[in-house]
Amino acid sequence: IAGITQAPTSQILAAGRRMTLRCTQDMRHNAMYWYRQDLGLGLRLIHYSNTAGTTGKGEVPDGYSVSRANTDDFPLTLASAVPSQTSVYFCASSDLGAKGQFFGPGTRLTVL
Amino acid sequence: QKEVEQDPGPLSVPEGAIVSLNCTYSNSAFQYFMWYRQYSRKGPELLMYTYSSGNKEDGRFTAQVDKSSKYISLFIRDSQPSDSATYLCAMSGNAGNMLTFGGGTRLMVKP
Repeated sequence: IAGITQAPTSQILAAGRRMTLRCTQDMRHNAMYWYRQDLGLGLRLIHYSNTAGTTGKGEVPDGYSVSRANTDDFPLTLASAVPSQTSVYFCASSDLGAKGQFFGPGTRLTVL
Repeated sequence: QKEVEQDPGPLSVPEGAIVSLNCTYSNSAFQYFMWYRQYSRKGPELLMYTYSSGNKEDGRFTAQVDKSSKYISLFIRDSQPSDSATYLCAMSGNAGNMLTFGGGTRLMVKP
């Protein structure tokens, strides 16, 4: 089935631990994005990648890193998790110049 | 002040009602406008996409853009309980990239 998969679905993590959220798309889209969604703040862009091998910072990049080794995968890493990173994380993809972005099902992360 | 403002609701309507959802924005560079629907504990799903001013219709959904007023709307005709969700507006200055989202309006359609 074409689309975006994210893993894990949910995770509870101790503060200070390292965590990688995985995102894979099979639509061969050039661009990929990571958002976090918090009540009252909506969707905020963390990092993006316009094409394999390039990445850029979004609105809230601090504490997060990404890599784009190939077209399909765009992992998001929290090097040392903090409670303020408790959120729902969505991965999205689009073709540059295409009509809108397509979202994955999300990862619900709780940092204690 | 946020670049894109959207009333969080909740908006509660009876089944069959016409629903009007709205967003205002401040950045005159926005040219591409989208509406997403998000069911509880799911990812946003693209509903409508419009470029510049005007109307676009798709089934029971109509998207309207008024760039002079910096105001966009989504109308849902003959609303159904299955339309109960959070509706997010999004916009960008270039096609497909770097979206700015509203906070979302929660809609409840009562049978």
